[in-house]
Amino acid sequence: GAVVSQHPSRVICKSGTSVKIECRSLDFQATTMFWYRQFPKQSLMLMATSNEGSKATYEQGVEKDKFLINHASLTLSTLTVTSAHPEDSSFYICSASGQGGGPDTQYFGPGTRLTVL
Amino acid sequence: SQQGEEDPQALSIQEGENATMNCSYKTSINNLQWYRQNSGRGLVHLILIRSNEREKHSGRLRVTLDTSKKSSSLLITASRAADTASYFCATAKTGANSKLTFGKGITLSVRP
Repeated sequence: GAVVSQHPSRVICKSGTSVKIECRSLDFQATTMFWYRQFPKQSLMLMATSNEGSKATYEQGVEKDKFLINHASLTLSTLTVTSAHPEDSSFYICSASGQGGGPDTQYFGPGTRLTVL
Repeated sequence: SQQGEEDPQALSIQEGENATMNCSYKTSINNLQWYRQNSGRGLVHLILIRSNEREKHSGRLRVTLDTSKKSSSLLITASRAADTASYFCATAKTGANSKLTFGKGITLSVRP
């Protein structure tokens, strides 16, 4: 149980375009979802926390207009990177926690590798 | 400031040996968690230890927590080549649905 999926796993886009990444909890209701980014050989940096039905809370230094987060249901959150630039190239990972998945444990998706040309 | 910091940053051992990884943190916590990440993949939750616990076991894993020293250790016994991965500690300041602060990670290489 407690499986989280992400789609797509890899995406390559041109500079200036927008990219949407989906995060789904497959077998539990995720009241909270988290979005992280990870640069090569570095740690995970939390970007934002989203609760179902409410606006996301962004970490300091993360542009909310550039990284749009929607958590419309208990099983789906999306991250849209708007007007992507090469410096946005990174590994984006979501995690989910909530009912049925263990209250204190975050379950991570497999990540999405974004490359902006 | 970095909440969780692991040491060593890289560890190379022979299959069958034990691997010990340490993590230190700065502020008070509700729980500390260890995760594993294979190259280019997502994170796998290994074990969670709460602030009122001192030691926890799960299979070949043993985790200790010393809140007075603000440190934790992860011991992998009888290591296998398949244990090769990056290991991260992460701390949560509050309980349910709390955000995690990750350390920089330790790269473990287990030589067959």
